[in-house]
Amino acid sequence: QQPVQSPQAVILREGEDAVINCSSSKALYSVHWYRQKHGEAPVFLMILLKGGEQKGHEKISASFNEKKQQSSLYLTASQLSYSGTYFCGSSRGAGSYQLTFGKGTKLSVIP
Amino acid sequence: SAVISQKPSRDICQRGTSLTIQCQVDSQVTMMFWYRQQPGQSLTLIATANQGSEATYESGFVIDKFPISRPNLTFSTLTVSNMSPEDSSIYLCSTILAPTYEQYFGPGTRLTVT
Repeated sequence: QQPVQSPQAVILREGEDAVINCSSSKALYSVHWYRQKHGEAPVFLMILLKGGEQKGHEKISASFNEKKQQSSLYLTASQLSYSGTYFCGSSRGAGSYQLTFGKGTKLSVIP
Repeated sequence: SAVISQKPSRDICQRGTSLTIQCQVDSQVTMMFWYRQQPGQSLTLIATANQGSEATYESGFVIDKFPISRPNLTFSTLTVSNMSPEDSSIYLCSTILAPTYEQYFGPGTRLTVT
């Protein structure tokens, strides 16, 4: 089942914060976050493997609420380089490596 | 991380022909995946390719249309057969690294069928 991402698109000014959500009506076993710039391959950001897990590097972090079947990606003090489309991918089941991706959230950071 | 290369990077093909896309990983990996991405759309898994076994195809994708080879632990090919304009898309290969389960993508092959 394809996870649902929200919002579909967001425009930020440099320095503003954003939250991108990824939810599913079925259980989420693991959540993978990617950023893709136009014409380029998706770039791995982080993976959350279990409920309650939180991860982050630099100004990008994520959380995984297993009970709510939701993951959120947090972008703080956004930079122009953060622009792109963010995808979440969820694994099919426990021990499954195949991912189903959401439709993406287009993030535009403007000066 | 893994470094993945693909050939060709893009191609324009005529209807009814076939194209084979190559994917090379810079280290030995167990699982490789092939995805399709329509412009502006999400990624859709075509199949999973494990070395030494038949590829596993997702619903809506069949071996006759998308035959896959996996001759060793660093290389795979995807063939798009008997192409039609509906096959125009970006095809990406990816792999997953143990034990972190991080998945990395190749740069993609942009296919246009006329």
